[in-house]
Amino acid sequence: GAVVSQHPSRVICKSGTSVKIECRSLDFQATTMFWYRQFPKQSLMLMATSNEGSKATYEQGVEKDKFLINHASLTLSTLTVTSAHPEDSSFYICSAREGSEPQHFGDGTRLSIL
Amino acid sequence: GQNIDQPTEMTATEGAIVQINCTYQTSGFNGLFWYQQHAGEAPTFLSYNVLDGLEEKGRFSSFLSRSKGYSYLLLKELQMKDSASYLCAVRDPYDYKLSFGAGTTVTVRA
Repeated sequence: GAVVSQHPSRVICKSGTSVKIECRSLDFQATTMFWYRQFPKQSLMLMATSNEGSKATYEQGVEKDKFLINHASLTLSTLTVTSAHPEDSSFYICSAREGSEPQHFGDGTRLSIL
Repeated sequence: GQNIDQPTEMTATEGAIVQINCTYQTSGFNGLFWYQQHAGEAPTFLSYNVLDGLEEKGRFSSFLSRSKGYSYLLLKELQMKDSASYLCAVRDPYDYKLSFGAGTTVTVRA
Protein backbone atom coordinates (compact mmCIF):
# COMPACT_ATOMS: atom_id res chain seq x y z
CA GLY A 1 0.00 0.00 0.00
CA ALA A 2 0.80 3.73 0.11
CA VAL A 3 1.93 4.11 -3.48
CA VAL A 4 2.56 7.56 -4.88
CA SER A 5 2.95 7.97 -8.63
CA GLN A 6 4.74 10.96 -10.14
CA HIS A 7 4.85 11.78 -13.83
CA PRO A 8 6.84 12.51 -15.91
CA SER A 9 10.09 11.08 -14.57
CA ARG A 10 12.26 13.25 -16.77
CA VAL A 11 11.75 16.43 -18.75
CA ILE A 12 14.19 18.21 -21.03
CA CYS A 13 12.92 21.40 -22.59
CA LYS A 14 13.86 24.85 -23.82
CA SER A 15 14.04 27.94 -21.68
CA GLY A 16 10.67 29.70 -21.42
CA THR A 17 8.62 26.52 -21.52
CA SER A 18 6.08 25.75 -18.80
CA VAL A 19 6.27 22.24 -17.37
CA LYS A 20 3.53 20.39 -15.50
CA ILE A 21 4.30 17.58 -13.06
CA GLU A 22 1.57 15.29 -11.73
CA CYS A 23 1.49 13.54 -8.38
CA ARG A 24 -1.09 10.87 -7.61
CA SER A 25 -1.79 8.74 -4.58
CA LEU A 26 -2.81 5.41 -6.07
CA ASP A 27 -4.24 3.43 -3.20
CA PHE A 28 -5.15 6.01 -0.59
CA GLN A 29 -6.73 9.43 -0.27
CA ALA A 30 -4.05 11.96 0.53
CA THR A 31 -4.86 14.37 3.33
CA THR A 32 -1.95 16.50 2.23
CA MET A 33 0.59 16.51 -0.58
CA PHE A 34 4.00 18.12 -0.40
CA TRP A 35 6.33 19.37 -3.10
CA TYR A 36 10.11 19.33 -2.67
CA ARG A 37 13.10 20.13 -4.79
CA GLN A 38 16.55 18.68 -4.36
CA PHE A 39 19.85 19.89 -5.77
CA PRO A 40 22.78 17.48 -6.19
CA LYS A 41 24.31 16.30 -2.92
CA GLN A 42 21.84 18.35 -0.87
CA SER A 43 18.87 17.36 1.23
CA LEU A 44 15.25 17.85 0.28
CA MET A 45 13.92 21.39 0.39
CA LEU A 46 10.19 21.79 0.97
CA MET A 47 8.61 24.13 -1.54
CA ALA A 48 4.93 24.00 -0.65
CA THR A 49 2.18 22.14 1.13
CA SER A 50 -0.97 21.32 -0.77
CA ASN A 51 -4.41 20.43 0.59
CA GLU A 52 -7.32 19.40 -1.59
CA GLY A 53 -9.65 22.24 -2.46
CA SER A 54 -7.58 24.98 -0.88
CA LYS A 55 -4.67 27.18 -1.87
CA ALA A 56 -1.20 25.81 -1.42
CA THR A 57 1.00 27.11 1.37
CA TYR A 58 4.42 28.11 0.06
CA GLU A 59 7.64 28.11 2.01
CA GLN A 60 9.56 31.32 2.41
CA GLY A 61 11.48 32.26 -0.70
CA VAL A 62 9.41 30.12 -3.08
CA GLU A 63 7.66 32.16 -5.76
CA LYS A 64 4.01 31.16 -5.94
CA ASP A 65 3.60 32.67 -9.40
CA LYS A 66 6.56 30.67 -10.63
CA PHE A 67 5.53 27.36 -9.12
CA LEU A 68 1.78 26.92 -9.54
CA ILE A 69 0.19 24.18 -7.49
CA ASN A 70 -3.26 22.77 -8.08
CA HIS A 71 -4.79 20.14 -5.84
CA ALA A 72 -7.94 19.15 -7.64
CA SER A 73 -8.84 16.00 -5.73
CA LEU A 74 -7.78 13.87 -2.79
CA THR A 75 -5.57 11.82 -5.10
CA LEU A 76 -4.06 14.37 -7.48
CA SER A 77 -1.83 17.41 -7.13
CA THR A 78 0.02 19.16 -9.94
CA LEU A 79 3.04 21.45 -9.92
CA THR A 80 3.55 23.73 -12.93
CA VAL A 81 6.91 25.39 -13.35
CA THR A 82 6.04 28.45 -15.41
CA SER A 83 8.44 29.97 -17.94
CA ALA A 84 11.22 27.69 -16.77
CA HIS A 85 14.84 28.82 -16.98
CA PRO A 86 18.10 26.90 -16.53
CA GLU A 87 18.25 27.78 -12.83
CA ASP A 88 14.98 25.88 -12.35
CA SER A 89 16.70 22.66 -13.38
CA SER A 90 16.45 20.33 -10.41
CA PHE A 91 14.98 17.12 -9.05
CA TYR A 92 11.35 17.73 -8.04
CA ILE A 93 9.73 15.22 -5.70
CA CYS A 94 6.20 15.02 -4.37
CA SER A 95 4.97 13.18 -1.32
CA ALA A 96 1.58 12.40 0.13
CA ARG A 97 0.26 11.49 3.54
CA GLU A 98 -2.99 10.05 4.87
CA GLY A 99 -3.90 10.99 8.42
CA SER A 100 -1.01 10.35 10.79
CA GLU A 101 0.70 7.86 8.49
CA PRO A 102 4.23 8.56 7.18
CA GLN A 103 4.73 10.59 4.04
CA HIS A 104 5.38 8.47 0.98
CA PHE A 105 7.29 9.86 -1.96
CA GLY A 106 6.78 9.72 -5.69
CA ASP A 107 9.69 8.68 -7.90
CA GLY A 108 10.64 12.27 -8.64
CA THR A 109 10.92 14.33 -11.82
CA ARG A 110 14.29 15.36 -13.14
CA LEU A 111 13.84 18.69 -14.90
CA SER A 112 16.53 19.97 -17.26
CA ILE A 113 16.06 23.37 -18.89
CA LEU A 114 18.33 24.10 -21.83
CA GLY B 1 13.67 26.69 14.50
CA GLN B 2 14.62 23.21 13.47
CA ASN B 3 18.05 21.70 13.99
CA ILE B 4 18.62 18.11 12.93
CA ASP B 5 22.11 16.66 12.92
CA GLN B 6 23.44 13.41 11.53
CA PRO B 7 26.90 12.35 10.39
CA THR B 8 27.82 13.11 6.81
CA GLU B 9 29.37 9.78 5.87
CA MET B 10 29.87 6.28 7.20
CA THR B 11 31.62 3.27 5.73
CA ALA B 12 31.08 -0.35 6.73
CA THR B 13 31.81 -3.84 5.50
CA GLU B 14 29.30 -6.19 3.92
CA GLY B 15 27.65 -8.33 6.59
CA ALA B 16 28.45 -5.87 9.38
CA ILE B 17 26.20 -3.59 11.44
CA VAL B 18 26.07 0.19 11.15
CA GLN B 19 24.34 2.65 13.48
CA ILE B 20 23.39 6.09 12.17
CA ASN B 21 22.73 8.62 14.90
CA CYS B 22 20.43 11.61 14.65
CA THR B 23 19.99 14.37 17.19
CA TYR B 24 17.31 17.00 16.95
CA GLN B 25 16.18 20.25 18.51
CA THR B 26 12.85 21.27 17.10
CA SER B 27 10.02 23.58 18.07
CA GLY B 28 7.55 20.68 17.97
CA PHE B 29 7.62 16.91 17.67
CA ASN B 30 5.19 14.42 16.19
CA GLY B 31 7.46 11.57 15.23
CA LEU B 32 10.90 10.88 13.83
CA PHE B 33 11.19 9.23 10.43
CA TRP B 34 13.96 7.47 8.57
CA TYR B 35 14.15 7.36 4.78
CA GLN B 36 16.60 5.71 2.40
CA GLN B 37 17.59 7.49 -0.79
CA HIS B 38 19.69 5.91 -3.50
CA ALA B 39 21.59 8.23 -5.81
CA GLY B 40 19.31 9.75 -8.42
CA GLU B 41 16.16 8.33 -6.87
CA ALA B 42 13.44 9.57 -4.53
CA PRO B 43 13.43 8.67 -0.82
CA THR B 44 11.71 5.52 0.36
CA PHE B 45 10.24 5.16 3.84
CA LEU B 46 12.09 2.84 6.23
CA SER B 47 10.88 3.29 9.78
CA TYR B 48 9.49 5.75 12.28
CA ASN B 49 9.09 6.30 16.01
CA VAL B 50 6.54 8.37 17.83
CA LEU B 51 7.10 6.93 21.30
CA ASP B 52 10.37 6.09 23.02
CA GLY B 53 11.89 2.73 22.33
CA LEU B 54 12.96 0.42 19.57
CA GLU B 55 11.04 -0.38 16.39
CA GLU B 56 12.30 -3.39 14.47
CA LYS B 57 11.55 -4.05 10.81
CA GLY B 58 13.61 -6.89 9.44
CA ARG B 59 17.24 -5.84 9.05
CA PHE B 60 16.39 -2.25 9.99
CA SER B 61 15.62 -0.97 13.48
CA SER B 62 15.05 2.54 14.74
CA PHE B 63 15.30 3.85 18.28
CA LEU B 64 13.98 7.03 19.85
CA SER B 65 14.59 8.89 23.10
CA ARG B 66 12.44 12.01 23.17
CA SER B 67 13.95 13.32 26.41
CA LYS B 68 17.40 13.25 24.82
CA GLY B 69 16.30 14.43 21.37
CA TYR B 70 18.04 11.40 19.94
CA SER B 71 17.35 8.63 17.48
CA TYR B 72 19.36 6.03 15.65
CA LEU B 73 18.84 3.76 12.67
CA LEU B 74 20.48 0.36 12.92
CA LEU B 75 21.25 -1.56 9.75
CA LYS B 76 22.17 -5.20 10.29
CA GLU B 77 23.70 -7.77 7.94
CA LEU B 78 24.73 -5.05 5.55
CA GLN B 79 24.40 -5.71 1.85
CA MET B 80 25.96 -3.85 -1.05
CA LYS B 81 22.52 -2.55 -2.02
CA ASP B 82 22.31 -0.74 1.33
CA SER B 83 24.83 1.81 0.02
CA ALA B 84 22.68 4.94 -0.02
CA SER B 85 21.91 8.17 1.78
CA TYR B 86 19.84 7.84 4.96
CA LEU B 87 17.68 10.78 5.91
CA CYS B 88 16.46 11.55 9.42
CA ALA B 89 13.32 13.72 9.56
CA VAL B 90 11.19 15.19 12.36
CA ARG B 91 7.48 15.80 11.83
CA ASP B 92 5.75 18.95 12.99
CA PRO B 93 2.63 18.29 15.09
CA TYR B 94 0.55 21.09 13.56
CA ASP B 95 1.11 20.95 9.81
CA TYR B 96 2.74 17.51 9.52
CA LYS B 97 5.68 18.96 7.62
CA LEU B 98 8.94 17.03 7.75
CA SER B 99 12.20 18.75 8.58
CA PHE B 100 15.10 16.76 7.18
CA GLY B 101 18.65 16.32 8.29
CA ALA B 102 21.34 16.65 5.63
CA GLY B 103 21.54 12.88 5.24
CA THR B 104 24.20 10.27 6.00
CA THR B 105 25.88 8.60 3.05
CA VAL B 106 26.59 4.97 3.88
CA THR B 107 29.08 3.09 1.74
CA VAL B 108 29.16 -0.69 2.04
CA ARG B 109 32.46 -2.32 1.05
CA ALA B 110 32.92 -5.90 0.02
